[in-house]
Amino acid sequence: AQSVSQHNHHVILSEAASLELGCNYSYGGTVNLFWYVQYPGQHLQLLLKYFSGDPLVKGIKGFEAEFIKSKFSFNLRKPSVQWSDTAEYFCAVNRAGSARQLTFGSGTQLTVLP
Amino acid sequence: DVKVTQSSRYLVKRTGEKVFLECVQDMDHENMFWYRQDPGLGLRLIYFSYDVKMKEKGDIPEGYSVSREKKERFSLILESASTNQTSMYLCASSQNIGTNTEAFFGQGTRLTVV
Repeated sequence: AQSVSQHNHHVILSEAASLELGCNYSYGGTVNLFWYVQYPGQHLQLLLKYFSGDPLVKGIKGFEAEFIKSKFSFNLRKPSVQWSDTAEYFCAVNRAGSARQLTFGSGTQLTVLP
Repeated sequence: DVKVTQSSRYLVKRTGEKVFLECVQDMDHENMFWYRQDPGLGLRLIYFSYDVKMKEKGDIPEGYSVSREKKERFSLILESASTNQTSMYLCASSQNIGTNTEAFFGQGTRLTVV
């Protein structure tokens, strides 16, 4: 079975700082990768996804992520965070061709100070 | 827009009660999921269903059962609620066409067992 590791449990940044959240997965086959975000009091929503093709994917609100197959990584980045980016971020993976088993990491709480 | 609706935002139940959590999706998705979300543990899959009356256990099925009598509805049942089942419960759905699709989430049910 696949697993997902998010190394940072809580990240605190000032506005305009750059962000990088780590995500590593363990599965030797082809995978689909996702980043979800949960703003305070809101439901989980998709930030971006990678299925195939260009390993640098762009999502909503200026976020991007890079899939590095050799490192089993899918790190999330944003060049300049805003206070409104305060949220919990989850990395998730499923096996390509199988939507059934979607496995999540433990999440990273991002706090952006104004 | 896909809509996944969970019947309750907040529930308080007594130990030993039988509890039903209901979830409805309106996009004719084949797959439906139940997760629980706990601080520091991320989302853990309880059960998923890939078709009417079909279900598979996830990572933490003990103490839970599910029912899917209609395609749009997926119910989570706590046979005899216990305090360690106090948690946020999230329902999700996804398509199976091509299988490369993301999951859409409901807003969650915060269950407290006293």
